[in-house]
Amino acid sequence: KQEVTQIPAALSVPEGENLVLNCSFTDSAIYNLQWFRQDPGKGLTSLLLIQSSQREQTSGRLNASLDKSSGRSTLYIAASQPGDSATYLCAVMMNRDDKIIFGKGTRLHILP
Amino acid sequence: EAQVTQNPRYLITVTGKKLTVTCSQNMNHEYMSWYRQDPGLGLRQIYYSMNVEVTDKGDVPEGYKVSRKEKRNFPLILESPSPNQTSLYFCASSSYTVSNYGYTFGSGTRLTVV
Repeated sequence: KQEVTQIPAALSVPEGENLVLNCSFTDSAIYNLQWFRQDPGKGLTSLLLIQSSQREQTSGRLNASLDKSSGRSTLYIAASQPGDSATYLCAVMMNRDDKIIFGKGTRLHILP
Repeated sequence: EAQVTQNPRYLITVTGKKLTVTCSQNMNHEYMSWYRQDPGLGLRQIYYSMNVEVTDKGDVPEGYKVSRKEKRNFPLILESPSPNQTSLYFCASSSYTVSNYGYTFGSGTRLTVV
């Protein structure tokens, strides 16, 4: 059974620093991996989607990498800003027509 | 604007009173799904639908019903709500006919059952 783990559960970082969020999964036979952002009490916003054949995706200050063989993905945030404070969730999909399995998220706080 | 719309955003109800949470998407997505989010448990899938008239159970389907009579709508029905169904609910949609197969989520429905 696929398990998705995000460590740490919470992280505080001074504004302006670069940071990395981690996601690991137990079954490497994934179809894709997606990173989401969730603000308190709000819905999920998709940040980046990486297909199983890809190694990374970039959007603005965000870069997500995928290493299927080791069961790991990272989300790199450059030059962090207070507005980046949120919970970041990663989710994997095992097959094209299957459900997605979420990690429990990393709660990020950027200190002004 | 491409979006998933859930209603209501907030709902307080009493035990046993049937309710429906609506979900609608305007992106012609085939796939729709319901999740609940609880502290310490993360997001768990309730039901999903691959297309019209096709639905299947997720991880926590007990106490819930769904229907998919039209492609754009996927309502979540609680026939007899109980306090353990107090949660934050999300509807999501996706397409598996396009290469960028990502999920779009609604803004959530916070349900309290007293």
